[in-house]
Amino acid sequence: AQSVSQHNHHVILSEAASLELGCNYSYGGTVNLFWYVQYPGQHLQLLLKYFSGDPLVKGIKGFEAEFIKSKFSFNLRKPSVQWSDTAEYFCAVGGATNKLIFGTGTLLAVQP
Amino acid sequence: DAGVIQSPRHEVTEMGQEVTLRCKPISGHDYLFWYRQTMMRGLELLIYFNNNVPIDDSGMPEDRFSAKMPNASFSTLKIQPSEPRDSAVYFCASSRSGSATYEQYFGPGTRLTVT
Repeated sequence: AQSVSQHNHHVILSEAASLELGCNYSYGGTVNLFWYVQYPGQHLQLLLKYFSGDPLVKGIKGFEAEFIKSKFSFNLRKPSVQWSDTAEYFCAVGGATNKLIFGTGTLLAVQP
Repeated sequence: DAGVIQSPRHEVTEMGQEVTLRCKPISGHDYLFWYRQTMMRGLELLIYFNNNVPIDDSGMPEDRFSAKMPNASFSTLKIQPSEPRDSAVYFCASSRSGSATYEQYFGPGTRLTVT
């Protein structure tokens, strides 16, 4: 069955700390991978995406993610978080259709 | 582009009343998705359309929920009768077939409170 697993449900960091959020997926065939961010009270916005090529993908606001096919993982990273990164982060996977499977989300709280 | 438009942004209603949520996808997008977000269940896909035709409604909770897409620029999600457990944020998203990555664009959501 197709699924996405985000292991960290709630992460609390201090400003300038490094961030890594885990995402593992189960999906047959070619995959497209996404990270979406939802700031408090707002809608989901695309942070970055992978569909082919370089497995290290750079997104907006200094975020990056690495696709490791052998581990079925697409972890999100940022070297130094800011208070404004406080948000909920969703990993999603899609294939040959436009339907995406979303993970349960990781709530990140950055303390100033 | 105006993005995905949803209305109303907030809806408060009493149990038993009919609720209609509206969505206008991005022009040129032929896929439309309805999601529900709650603290307990996270983000759930309710139903999605392709070229105005419902493709998968397996996520619709029960018969009280119905969705329509009469044309390429408008969709509705209706709850009749509404119950307190329907309280959630309902998001509409759209995407375009033929794009390399099938990225979905989300609307601002409708926060529904059923008392």
